[in-house]
Amino acid sequence: QVQLQQSGPGLVKPSQTLSLTCAISGDSVSSNSAAWSWIRQSPSRGLEWLGRTYYRSKWYNDYAVSVKSRITINPDTSKNQFSLQLNSVTPEDTAVYFCARDNCNVGSCYAFFYWGQGTLVTVSS
Amino acid sequence: QSALTQPRSVSGSPGQSVTISCTGTSSDIGSYNYVSWYQQRPGKAPKLMIYDVSKGPSGVPDRFSGSKSGSTASLTISGLQAEDEADYYCCSYAGSYTWVFGGGTKVTVL
Repeated sequence: QVQLQQSGPGLVKPSQTLSLTCAISGDSVSSNSAAWSWIRQSPSRGLEWLGRTYYRSKWYNDYAVSVKSRITINPDTSKNQFSLQLNSVTPEDTAVYFCARDNCNVGSCYAFFYWGQGTLVTVSS
Repeated sequence: QSALTQPRSVSGSPGQSVTISCTGTSSDIGSYNYVSWYQQRPGKAPKLMIYDVSKGPSGVPDRFSGSKSGSTASLTISGLQAEDEADYYCCSYAGSYTWVFGGGTKVTVL
């Protein structure tokens, strides 16, 4: 069974970088049949897909237009995890952040079958 | 992309059926059969209930069903139970390897 465990600071200062990690158990970040996403949720913006990373003989990333200039999602194969970095944050980036995975091999490549527990990140000085 | 449009709330008595609509555009729901629905309880992560418009993941009761017509998708909960009270979100693939969510619907069991 795939499990995702998130970690990272809950408070970030404006203009700094938000960094979160999602540790994977029960699967490999290098799987050729999975994609690893970050999704956030706030009262003002609702649920918002931010981006993903996945391996198909080489590494790929896809990012939402709304954050494309500020976001980086990286795999860490040595620790079997992936990370989110969001630069130049403002209070608008305050949200609960989730990591998630699809289920290409036995389900769908277009839905989020597995979710992390969520991390509330507050942007404030 | 703009968020998908859902009603703020729906309600029903135990045993009744409720349907939640999710309206998108020709760029998302209207173009792809990749609509998914999520149930979320307070303080918890969303849980997948329906994927690819009408498919149910293992372990989800078949009281939950999904459909799509044009640019509008729907989630129907038949035989409503108290445990179904939660927030529900739709999501659609929007092309160019991006996804868009709805604003959420609160289901109340009367």
